[in-house]
This record gives sequence, C-alpha cells and structure tokens, in this order.
Amino acid sequence: DGGITQSPKYLFRKEGQNVTLSCEQNLNHDAMYWYRQDPGQGLRLIYYSQIVNDFQKGDIAEGYSVSREKKESFPLTVTSAQKNPTAFYLCASSTQRGNTGELFFGEGSRLTVL
Amino acid sequence: DAKTTQPNSMESNEEEPVHLPCNHSTISGTDYIHWYRQLPSQGPEYVIHGLTSNVNNRMASLAIAEDRKSSTLILHRATLRDAAVYYCILRGPPDYKLSFGAGTTVTVRA
Repeated sequence: DGGITQSPKYLFRKEGQNVTLSCEQNLNHDAMYWYRQDPGQGLRLIYYSQIVNDFQKGDIAEGYSVSREKKESFPLTVTSAQKNPTAFYLCASSTQRGNTGELFFGEGSRLTVL
Repeated sequence: DAKTTQPNSMESNEEEPVHLPCNHSTISGTDYIHWYRQLPSQGPEYVIHGLTSNVNNRMASLAIAEDRKSSTLILHRATLRDAAVYYCILRGPPDYKLSFGAGTTVTVRA
C-alpha cells in the first residue's frame, strides 16, 4: 500500500541527547514536511522540502535539523539545542502541484524527554 | 502568510448538519482554501479545497463567499466519527506550505 511511514511511534530520550525520527514515503511525492504538535494545540511547521537536496525552515526550526538526500526519505533530528522537545511529531508529503496538492500524513512519532 | 480565524469549538447532534465558519480577510487572489481534520492521536486528513466556486465531495461541501474573505465547511449529516479538530488553511505562492492554526473542535452528541 502507498503511504507514509514514521518510526519510531514512541521514543524516550534523556536530556542532552540527539534523536532522529524517520519518515519514508512511497507515493512518489516531491514535497515533504515536518510538523510539531503540543497537547491541545494546532500543528506548527518545522521544516519542509519541495525537492531532493533542498529544504527550507518553517516557523519553528530552531533546535531541529533535516536532510533530503532521497526523494522517499526526510529524516528529522531533534538536537540537544531544542529546549522543549517533548511533543507529537508529524511527517507529511504532497505532490508538487502548487496550491492544490493534498497533504498525506503519517501516524506520527511521540517523543518524550525524561 | 495569510491567516485564518475559526471558532474554538462547536457542538452538533448526530445526523444534523454542521456549518464550520472560517474567516480569511487577507486572502490573496492565488490562495486556495483547504480544510483538513484530525481525529484524536492521528495525523490530519484532507477534507476538501477550493478557490472561488463552491465544492462538493463525498465528505463535505465547501461554500466560499463571493469576496472570498470567508468560507464555510458543511458536514451534511454529522456522525460520531466526524468528531475531530477541523482546520481551515490557505495555501498559495511562493512556498505553498500549509500552516495549521488551532482549528475548531467539533463535538457530536448521540
């Protein structure tokens, strides 16, 4: 089945550690996105990539890093510089159709910093 | 980025219509209006989008004001499975990214 796979679903880390969240899609989509969601809040855009080997900062990029070496993959690293990393992280992709393309979301990764 | 304004919450009875308003007074001529919904502990899912004309699909209808400064998502017969957070979002150039606000939490009473 085509879709977006995020892993791990749940992740615990100690303060000061970097952690990488995986996002893979087999939809042949050009654009990929990372969002963060805190309890009771909407989604906030961290980073997005419209094409391989290119990505842009979203609204809350500080403390995060990404790479886009392959079309299918867009991993997110939560670094120790992120002051409050405990959150629900969502990855999405869409065709590069400008303003009409639909976003498809993964099931999310829930990160807890102990 | 053009912003949207939605009520925090709305309640409905099962099998009755739900009208979800969205204001977007600073919308530009090339911005599309998108709606997504998010069920608890899941990622959002696409509902509908439009530019100027009203749109219908199997999930909902989208009514867009003539001046495009507001729109309404219509769920024709609410079911318990429609209880979710509904997001109204504008998408347009130059980056076409989707920025989600807090949305409207819809509660459906049996």
